[in-house]
Amino acid sequence: QQQVKQSPQSLIVQKGGIPIINCAYENTAFDYFPWYQQFPGKGPALLIAIRPDVSEKKEGRFTISFNKSAKQFSLHIMDSQPGDSATYFCAASMHSGAGSYQLTFGKGTKLSVIP
Amino acid sequence: KAGVTQTPRYLIKTRGQQVTLSCSPISGHRSVSWYQQTPGQGLQFLFEYFSETQRNKGNFPGRFSGRQFSNSRSEMNVSTLELGDSALYLCASSPQGSNTEAFFGQGTRLTVV
Repeated sequence: QQQVKQSPQSLIVQKGGIPIINCAYENTAFDYFPWYQQFPGKGPALLIAIRPDVSEKKEGRFTISFNKSAKQFSLHIMDSQPGDSATYFCAASMHSGAGSYQLTFGKGTKLSVIP
Repeated sequence: KAGVTQTPRYLIKTRGQQVTLSCSPISGHRSVSWYQQTPGQGLQFLFEYFSETQRNKGNFPGRFSGRQFSNSRSEMNVSTLELGDSALYLCASSPQGSNTEAFFGQGTRLTVV
């Protein structure tokens, strides 16, 4: 199974709030879980990533929580700002033979942070 | 360090035509992957190249092809364009592939009319 399920589809929070975006996967062969941020007209930008041997990773205002047994991971954005308004994608990756890999993406969450 | 550069940024083609898109990876990166992004299907993996060899291919018809040159630059080609090929085509580069960080370009917006 290659699917990564992401929720919610859209999210509106007040400035300073903590939006949480959740993702779930089935394939236990996934071993790398990045999050990307995409603004309109731009390509996705890598935000933060985690491997399954770690339960939490924090970079600036962005935190990934990872639950290996539940096959779930989530992105928390602390002290959210209007500039964080974008579409966020979770992804999962695994080796696919010959040293290759491919990213399997969730469907995305459109975040709006209102002043 | 320059980022991933994709050209052209926008393209309009007619059904039945073919198109070639170009991607220049970050200097020193040897792995280039291509993704298709549409509102309905989201981001879908097309193929990955490393040292001029296609190492992996997604579930797309044979009309979609690509290649990589010795300087790691990559091109993808779509032949016999269909309306459903309208999408944002994204290129990502990474140093070695194999679950290292992947950095995306701004994409080429292809519209098929």
